[in-house]
Amino acid sequence: DTGVSQNPRHKITKRGQNVTFRCDPISEHNRLYWYRQTLGQGPEFLTYFQNEAQLEKSRLLSDRFSAERPKGSFSTLEIQRTEQGDSAMYLCASSLVGRSYNEQFFGPGTRLTVL
Amino acid sequence: AQRVTQPEKLLSVFKGAPVELKCNYSYSGSPELFWYVQYSRQRLQLLLRHISRESIKGFTADLNKGETSFHLKKPFAQEEDSAMYYCALIPNSGYSTLTFGKGTMLLVSP
Repeated sequence: DTGVSQNPRHKITKRGQNVTFRCDPISEHNRLYWYRQTLGQGPEFLTYFQNEAQLEKSRLLSDRFSAERPKGSFSTLEIQRTEQGDSAMYLCASSLVGRSYNEQFFGPGTRLTVL
Repeated sequence: AQRVTQPEKLLSVFKGAPVELKCNYSYSGSPELFWYVQYSRQRLQLLLRHISRESIKGFTADLNKGETSFHLKKPFAQEEDSAMYYCALIPNSGYSTLTFGKGTMLLVSP
């Protein structure tokens, strides 16, 4: 499968614990995006990278959230001191600037449940 | 800030009936509009975008700037069209992040 991959697919954690998710984009894609989707809502933008540079962060991304893309390839999203309100599906997408109107290709998501 | 509204949470039709999934947006400039679809147990994928003016799987969508709408239409629904449909926009070509609506579940019954 050469599409966007995300790990783990599911994560159950207790409130107050830290969690980290990984996203592997399509190999030649230089942009990588993180979205969050809660029940009954569409995906909401969190942050995005072009290569290793984090270019934009949403107001949804509180201080407990941090994202990295150290070598311009895979990315990690860490949530510290998780809260029940963090329970959601976390989606990663990637795109290639200048190709196909910057179409974003989505991964399968990581479903986080905070108990 | 931009906003996308999909007024229907659920649209249920019979096979062969016409389908129209509504999408309205608020943005003062000229956005790029998209329809994304998520079939059961599959990832979110692009269905079509207004710039390319294409028809995918029999679906079309026309951008109406006067009514700020981008409704998705299909003349004859098929059972395999059952899925979650999301309308989304990018504010302008220099911007990159998608703003999604809440989605409409389309159920096509035999």
